[in-house]
Order: sequence, then structure tokens, then C-alpha cells
Amino acid sequence: NFRLTQPHSVSESPGKAVTISCTGSGGSIARNYVQWYQQRPGGVPTTVIYEDDQRPSGVPDRFSGSVDSSSNSASLTISGLKTEDEADYYCQSYDIDNGVFGGGTRLSVL
Amino acid sequence: QGHLVQSGGEVKEPGASVKISCRPSDDTLRNFGISWVRQAPGQGLEWMGWISVYNGNTKYGQKMQDRVTFTTDTSTRTAYMELRSLRSDDTAVYYCARDRGYTYGVFYNWGQGTLVTVSS
Repeated sequence: NFRLTQPHSVSESPGKAVTISCTGSGGSIARNYVQWYQQRPGGVPTTVIYEDDQRPSGVPDRFSGSVDSSSNSASLTISGLKTEDEADYYCQSYDIDNGVFGGGTRLSVL
Repeated sequence: QGHLVQSGGEVKEPGASVKISCRPSDDTLRNFGISWVRQAPGQGLEWMGWISVYNGNTKYGQKMQDRVTFTTDTSTRTAYMELRSLRSDDTAVYYCARDRGYTYGVFYNWGQGTLVTVSS
């Protein structure tokens, strides 16, 4: 079965950049699109990256996504961190049988 | 564009069924699908399955496929998720997410969520 693994937590200071990884196993992560969702405490998930590297309208260009087939991983990079970026971030993709989420990464901005 | 509105929270007893609706907030969406995702308290996101509002095709996640049914009303472009034989561990927030119309796996927008509480 295809699975996505994320670090449990990351932290960085305001104004810095952070990269959250999402490593695939049981299949090639590059085979299908990868998405990233932000969920602030008590909030609803929102899409910050879709189709590997596309930003929905309204998402600042501080958010960027990429996929690296050589490491079978995807990454979400947030530059110029703001305190409002503090949230859980989930990567997501799919295979022939299921939609698949990573376990989520708690980003602390402090 | 593409915002989704879900029905309100529900409290159910174990063994009962629940049916949640999800519809676009405007008339601009046409060829789209709906994926259903749930989140138990303090837990991560779990994909339940997908239905095309465009052609009625479905794909069920392996975990709950024997207890869940997705349907649509094409006249109102509303999607429904029914979960049967409820257990206490079905207590969760259930989200619909706008997906592609011809296949599943890319969630562009999310509904506001529906809290389902299963308790005797």
C-alpha cells in the first residue's frame, strides 16, 4: 500500500524559511499529484498547494511545493514565516485504490 | 468559487445511521467530484472515498466501504454521504472536499465540516 510519512513537528523563527518533507513508500510519489493542506488550530483544512506546485488564488507566493522522484518525496517550503503560518500541514496523494494522507506536521513559529 | 456548504452537526446512538449533505455555494461549479474526509478528535485526516457529481461514478476507501454510501442529486449538484452501523469511534468531523469530476485525489476546496457524535 502507498503511504506518506511526514515529520511530527518542525519549528522555525518568524521571517525564516522552513521546509516540510513528505516521503512516499510502497510506490512512486511522482506517479500522481501531491497536495498540501493547512489546518490552523480548531479550523478547517485549506488547500495551499495542489497538483504538486500550484497555488490556489489567495495563497501567498511564500508557499511553494515540489516533488523529487529521486528521493521519492515531496516538499512544502514556506518562506518569510509569519506567526499566522503556525498550523498543521498535511501532504496528500492517491493511488489506484485510495486517497492517502500523510500523518501531518505541526509547524511552530516562535 | 467552488465553496462548499455542509449540513449541520448530528448526534447519533450506536448502531444508527447518519446522512450528511454537501453542496456548492454558487452555480459556477459543473464538472466536479466530491471526496469525503473525516477527522477524529485529535487525529489526522482520513479519506473515505469519492463520488463524481458529473457522472455518479464512485470510489470507496477500503476501510469503510461496507458501511458507507455516496449519492448525488444532480439537479441541485448536492452530494450525500451516509454512514451506517455507527460506532463510538465514528465520532469525528466529516468534511467534503471538491475533487475532480472524472477521478479522485486532488482536493481544491473544503466544506466547513460536520461534527458527528456517536454516543448512547
